[in-house]
Amino acid sequence: EPEVTQTPSHQVTQMGQEVILRCVPISNHLYFYWYRQILGQKVEFLVSFYNNEISEKSEIFDDQFSVERPDGSNFTLKIRSTKLEDSAMYFCASSVGGGLGEKLFFGSGTQLSVL
Amino acid sequence: AQKITQTQPGMFVQEKEAVTLDCTYDTSDPSYGLFWYKQPSSGEMIFLIYQGSYDQQNATEGRYSLNFQKARKSANLVISASQLGDSAMYFCAMREGRDDKIIFGKGTRLHILP
Repeated sequence: EPEVTQTPSHQVTQMGQEVILRCVPISNHLYFYWYRQILGQKVEFLVSFYNNEISEKSEIFDDQFSVERPDGSNFTLKIRSTKLEDSAMYFCASSVGGGLGEKLFFGSGTQLSVL
Repeated sequence: AQKITQTQPGMFVQEKEAVTLDCTYDTSDPSYGLFWYKQPSSGEMIFLIYQGSYDQQNATEGRYSLNFQKARKSANLVISASQLGDSAMYFCAMREGRDDKIIFGKGTRLHILP
């Protein structure tokens, strides 16, 4: 069964450093998302991406964050200057379409630890 | 204001019993969709079931059913004949008609006891 792939599974970085989290969505999916989850708690929406541009973003997704689809398969989340509070599990997700009932398929996540 | 409310932070249920996980939602959009996801200790997010706001019947998927009460704005997940493997975090989520994103509640941690 096709799946969303995220790398790395765990990333440790120093505060102030840039990190790039990578995702390969399911190949025929058109909508891409990043979510984060702090300490196994609430899953928070960051950004959605469709047709090579951001379609929605949350208040969390400030100027320190950016997303990119550099080629036909990868979808990346960049944090320019990490803060301690950026430590979280980051999930990439994709869906075939953006319709009401379109379920999101999630990757296994990247655990980001900012020291 | 929270759009998805899950009032049960944790639940303990005996194996083979049925369990109901509560979810209420808040939206003024007449068109919306409701989802339940399971997150086992391994961390992945697994889709369980979907209910659309215009669906006349409650959704069912195997042992999972969604008790949709539109007037009360509730979308409770019912798991019949619970199994040890059902121990996990369960998230209720909603997409409003105009949005791409799905927003999640805070989750309920379910423990199935042998």
